[in-house]
Amino acid sequence: NAGVTQTPKFRILKIGQSMTLQCAQDMNHNYMYWYRQDPGMGLKLIYYSVGAGITDKGEVPNGYNVSRSTTEDFPLRLELAAPSQTSVYFCASNGGGSDTFGSGTRLTVV
Amino acid sequence: GDSVTQMEGPVTLSEEAFLTINCTYTATGYPSLFWYVQYPGEGLQLLLKATKADDKGSNKGFEATYRKETTSFHLEKGSVQVSDSAVYFCALSTGGGNKLTFGTGTQLKVEL
Repeated sequence: NAGVTQTPKFRILKIGQSMTLQCAQDMNHNYMYWYRQDPGMGLKLIYYSVGAGITDKGEVPNGYNVSRSTTEDFPLRLELAAPSQTSVYFCASNGGGSDTFGSGTRLTVV
Repeated sequence: GDSVTQMEGPVTLSEEAFLTINCTYTATGYPSLFWYVQYPGEGLQLLLKATKADDKGSNKGFEATYRKETTSFHLEKGSVQVSDSAVYFCALSTGGGNKLTFGTGTQLKVEL
């Protein structure tokens, strides 16, 4: 039982580059979320999804896009990376109880 | 909007000391309340939760009681261990989508 799997674990991007952070869960959870965690701060919600084909903005969506074509996968897309997007990104899923988190992706934009 | 305020860290304690980490919240409606723990280099793990007023969540010797009258959910443990060293996050969830609103986290360091 893998839970929530995030890839990659680390990445360095140059300003203006694009990338996709992958997130997959094998628990058949309907709800999935992307958060970012900045130093000394709590987690801020970027985007979330209540089921395949449905996505919605969270608190800090600017500069990001998501899609949810399957129940299992919820990729997060950065189109034009900016230094302000340097952060640790966490994906989570929820099947109606509490959230299960992935181990995170540490992204640095230089 | 919803918000969570928790005490600033870092908190440094000796092993076997009593721990309290304060958490207060502002929310519309009736939130569920959570404590998550994050060990170095890892994702967040649910520590305990409470879904209605006066509920007590407990796990691994940690406890927190949902106090609606004081809008609080303080985390306590009677005797901390070195292995409890981590960052602790208070969070709430309201409305559709089960979205979480987090506090800023409190770092706990337990020394021998």
